[in-house]
Amino acid sequence: KAGVTQTPRYLIKTRGQQVTLSCSPISGHRSVSWYQQTPGQGLQFLFEYFSETQRNKGNFPGRFSGRQFSNSRSEMNVSTLELGDSALYLCASSLDSYYEQYFGPGTRLTVT
Amino acid sequence: AQSVTQPDIHITVSEGASLELRCNYSYGATPYLFWYVQSPGQGLQLLLKYFSGDTLVQGIKGFEAEFKRSQSSFNLRKPSVHWSDAAEYFCAAIFTGTASKLTFGTGTRLQVTL
Repeated sequence: KAGVTQTPRYLIKTRGQQVTLSCSPISGHRSVSWYQQTPGQGLQFLFEYFSETQRNKGNFPGRFSGRQFSNSRSEMNVSTLELGDSALYLCASSLDSYYEQYFGPGTRLTVT
Repeated sequence: AQSVTQPDIHITVSEGASLELRCNYSYGATPYLFWYVQSPGQGLQLLLKYFSGDTLVQGIKGFEAEFKRSQSSFNLRKPSVHWSDAAEYFCAAIFTGTASKLTFGTGTRLQVTL
């Protein structure tokens, strides 16, 4: 089976802009979770989508949002970018809650 | 708060030596436990998982981990380290009631000397 794919792999944006990241889960996986990884805060949970519904949410401001499509592909959007949003954004897919999660290669976002 | 602790930020071992990476989780109901490995600039690769049952679990790349309820620990071990094992290792947990939310430790960076 193909693994989790994320596009783009690298992105450079300017403060105040918005960005959309995409994630395609492993075939058959209906749960998609997003994580932010930074040197200072480590790996932090953003949110999880299952069957097109946000089922779980971490402690991030409303500028971070996401959605999931009927084919389980997911997008994450960050509006009004701040310098502190520079991070590696990781997407993970799983069959359902409480199952192991498989991660994609990540999208490296740099905000200047 | 529910948390995962990896007390060792950085560990250096010689190639061929044994390895043990420590992981502790906060008290309470036993969570689902995982070990992931991350090479520079890459995503996370699942090494092994513990849900229930046998407390010694085998994973990929020759890794194993032992769950000890009395110590709230889930330590990762490998009998003989290879230079290619150099990477960052993350212990993670899904706590009861948090569904798909993985809570990660801060990671342990493994350096392997030849």
